[in-house]
Amino acid sequence: NAGVTQTPKFQVLKTGQSMTLQCAQDMNHNSMYWYRQDPGMGLRLIYYSASEGTTDKGEVPNGYNVSRLNKREFSLRLESAAPSQTSVYFCASSPRGGPSGANVLTFGAGSRLTVL
Amino acid sequence: GENVEQHPSTLSVQEGDSAVIKCTYSDSASNYFPWYKQELGKGPQLIIDIRSNVGEKKDQRIAVTLNKTAKHFSLHITETQPEDSAVYFCAARRGSARQLTFGSGTQLTVLP
Repeated sequence: NAGVTQTPKFQVLKTGQSMTLQCAQDMNHNSMYWYRQDPGMGLRLIYYSASEGTTDKGEVPNGYNVSRLNKREFSLRLESAAPSQTSVYFCASSPRGGPSGANVLTFGAGSRLTVL
Repeated sequence: GENVEQHPSTLSVQEGDSAVIKCTYSDSASNYFPWYKQELGKGPQLIIDIRSNVGEKKDQRIAVTLNKTAKHFSLHITETQPEDSAVYFCAARRGSARQLTFGSGTQLTVLP
């Protein structure tokens, strides 16, 4: 059981280039999330998808787009990368995104992105 | 929205000693408080959580306490071991919210 798989693990971009981070989960979870992790700032939510067919903005959505391709896959796209988007990106999933229950997150191993 | 502050940012303890990490939250409606551990090169993993109707919860060497009046909660690790070295994140969530708000993280180092 792989859990949450992210690709690529490392990527270097030049300013203005575009790229897509891929995420897939095999736990039949309804909800998926994209976070970025920066030193001293913890984990900040970029976008999430409470269920297949829905997406919502998180705390720091500017400069990103997402696609919930199906129940398993949730991709994050940078259309025109900027140095401020240099970060470690984590995808996560949870059984459900509603207010009830503990909503435990399962994280992927992360994708380290550097924008020059 | 919710704001979660976490202290200290770094913590070093001798093996066998206890470690305490503290978090405060701003939204009195928050009712779920998990703690995640992130080992080097890996994603965070849930280690313990507590709901607002409980004051303390233990799981072997780790425990979490919650003070709703003061709006703070703490992670306690006893008899620390080298494998406890990691970054620890606290988080909080309102019952009506769909996502967690994380603290800034604590780098715990257990010295042999």
